Amino acid sequence: KQEVTQIPAALSVPEGENLVLNCSFTDSAIYNLQWFRQDPGKGLTSLLLIQSSQREQTSGRLNASLDKSSGRSTLYIAASQPGDSATYLCAVRQGAAGNKLTFGGGTRVLVKP
Amino acid sequence: GAGVSQSPSNKVTEKGKDVELRCDPISGHTALYWYRQSLGQGLEFLIYFQGNSAPDKSGLPSDRFSAERTGGSVSTLTIQRTQQEDSAVYLCASSFLGADTQYFGPGTRLTVL
Repeated sequence: KQEVTQIPAALSVPEGENLVLNCSFTDSAIYNLQWFRQDPGKGLTSLLLIQSSQREQTSGRLNASLDKSSGRSTLYIAASQPGDSATYLCAVRQGAAGNKLTFGGGTRVLVKP
Repeated sequence: GAGVSQSPSNKVTEKGKDVELRCDPISGHTALYWYRQSLGQGLEFLIYFQGNSAPDKSGLPSDRFSAERTGGSVSTLTIQRTQQEDSAVYLCASSFLGADTQYFGPGTRLTVL
């Protein structure tokens, strides 16, 4: 059974610092991996999706890397801003058939002005 | 167009009562998913509908939980004889057939007293 872990559970940084969020998964035979953002009381917003054949994806200040063989992904957020404060979740999709995702527990980020 | 919508946004019920949660997916999305987010358990997959195929019910925690999707659009998640451990945020998501990105609704917060 796939298990997804995110460490740390919470992170507090001053504005302007780079953020590094970690995600690990036990079964490396994944189809893809997604990073989501969740604001309090809201649903999830997809940030980046990395296919199993890819090593990284970039969008603006966000960069996500994937090392499938070691079961790890890292989300980098450059030059953090208070508006980046949210919970970040990673999720893996196991196979091509069926889209169900297995989520990590999330990292709660606070960027202090 | 409009995103995924869910109703009600909040539901408080007494132990033993039945509840129905509704999800309106994005128009044209053939796949629909229900997830549950609770303290200590993270975000868990419940059920997945894809077109006219039989749903993947592998995530439903007990036979008190059921879901249906009428006309390939709106879905209802029903919890019978609610228990306190059913208290959670229930999230719905939808996606295009064959697409990887799931779009999430804002969730329904269920509190069982």
